[in-house]
Amino acid sequence: NAGVTQTPKFRILKIGQSMTLQCTQDMNHNYMYWYRQDPGMGLKLIYYSVGAGITDKGEVPNGYNVSRSTTEDFPLRLELAAPSQTSVYFCASSIRQGAWVGNTIYFGEGSWLTVV
Amino acid sequence: ELKVEQNPLFLSMQEGKNYTIYCNYSTTSDRLYWYRQDPGKSLESLFVLLSNGAVKQEGRLMASLDTKARLSTLHITAAVHDLSATYFCAVGGQTSGSRLTFGEGTQLTVNP
Repeated sequence: NAGVTQTPKFRILKIGQSMTLQCTQDMNHNYMYWYRQDPGMGLKLIYYSVGAGITDKGEVPNGYNVSRSTTEDFPLRLELAAPSQTSVYFCASSIRQGAWVGNTIYFGEGSWLTVV
Repeated sequence: ELKVEQNPLFLSMQEGKNYTIYCNYSTTSDRLYWYRQDPGKSLESLFVLLSNGAVKQEGRLMASLDTKARLSTLHITAAVHDLSATYFCAVGGQTSGSRLTFGEGTQLTVNP
């Protein structure tokens, strides 16, 4: 079972460059999320999506963009990379059926990004 | 704004001892998660607590939830070295659903 797959796992960017972190899930989950984790800290929500074509900002959205054209994919775009975006990025997904939000949230393996 | 506080942030303990990690949150919530993270790894789901008084146990770990006190605890019984990791609690607000707010994490080191 693939679950939530993120690429790349490691990347070094120069200040001002742009890149896209890819995330795909094969569980037919409608909810997907992007979190970032700074050293020694908990995760903070960047963006989330409740279904294809629907995205919304989380706690720390500045400097990022997302799109959700399919149920499976939820790419995160970094525009004009800055050192403050050096972090570990986690994609996650979960399912909501009717009034109930799925209890388990599945996380990808993480993408380590360094901006120099 | 939902805030989640864990304490302690760092915990060094001897094998065989018991200890408790505390997770306080600031607003009403209907779900609380505990995760484990090993260095350089992703998050492993440990427990999901959905109701007041919920208690779940897995091996040497037991989690409980008091929604009235807005407090969850993760109790470690007879710690072993393999439990060394960082433990996070995360809370989903009543209006935010599965969008989680995480605590800072408790870095646990179990010494022989």
